[in-house]
Amino acid sequence: GAGVSQTPSNKVTEKGKYVELRCDPISGHTALYWYRQSLGQGPEFLIYFQGTGAADDSGLPNDRFFAVRPEGSVSTLKIQRTERGDSAVYLCASSLFKNTEAFFGQGTRLTVV
Amino acid sequence: QQQVKQSPQSLIVQKGGISIINCAYENTAFDYFPWYQQFPGKGPALLIAIRPDVSEKKEGRFTISFNKSAKQFSLHIMDSQPGDSATYFCAASLSGSARQLTFGSGTQLTVLP
Repeated sequence: GAGVSQTPSNKVTEKGKYVELRCDPISGHTALYWYRQSLGQGPEFLIYFQGTGAADDSGLPNDRFFAVRPEGSVSTLKIQRTERGDSAVYLCASSLFKNTEAFFGQGTRLTVV
Repeated sequence: QQQVKQSPQSLIVQKGGISIINCAYENTAFDYFPWYQQFPGKGPALLIAIRPDVSEKKEGRFTISFNKSAKQFSLHIMDSQPGDSATYFCAASLSGSARQLTFGSGTQLTVLP
């Protein structure tokens, strides 16, 4: 597609469950970023991939959060043992190179009940 | 410090007026300052960005003013239109890149017809 695509658009899960959020970046973009946006706040950085490797995962809040990008394209953000505080919009962005404009997807709204 | 402080939280402007949003940062190592526009249910979209070697950048109706000594930058929207009604985020990052952006808390702009 022409833009960054995130699936699902909405996800409701029960506390303690495992969830996976998918990001399809713009074709050919080497850099991929995950951010989390709580209601009424600006996005907060989670992790940055350059190619297949996580170049910077300093924003991941704890070890329940993990992300992969095995083939340097699609990325999956994985959250184990979800908590109500994990409820937020999870945004993915990609850029052609690490120092070029980043384009955001529409986000996945995660609700933990 | 990585914080970026944004004001005002909300702004109401008449059509044709000037909208001004301000941001202040603490980390003097920041060297990339973008502004993002976000509509409900959408991801942030890059509006305009500036690097600290210039004091002003203009693109159409949008202008960034940058004051390096005061560690402040602002977005001016000239001839504001109802279609400009959205949430605006300032951000800052290191190494001139879009990775690990630190966002402000956002300004909800409403332009009255």
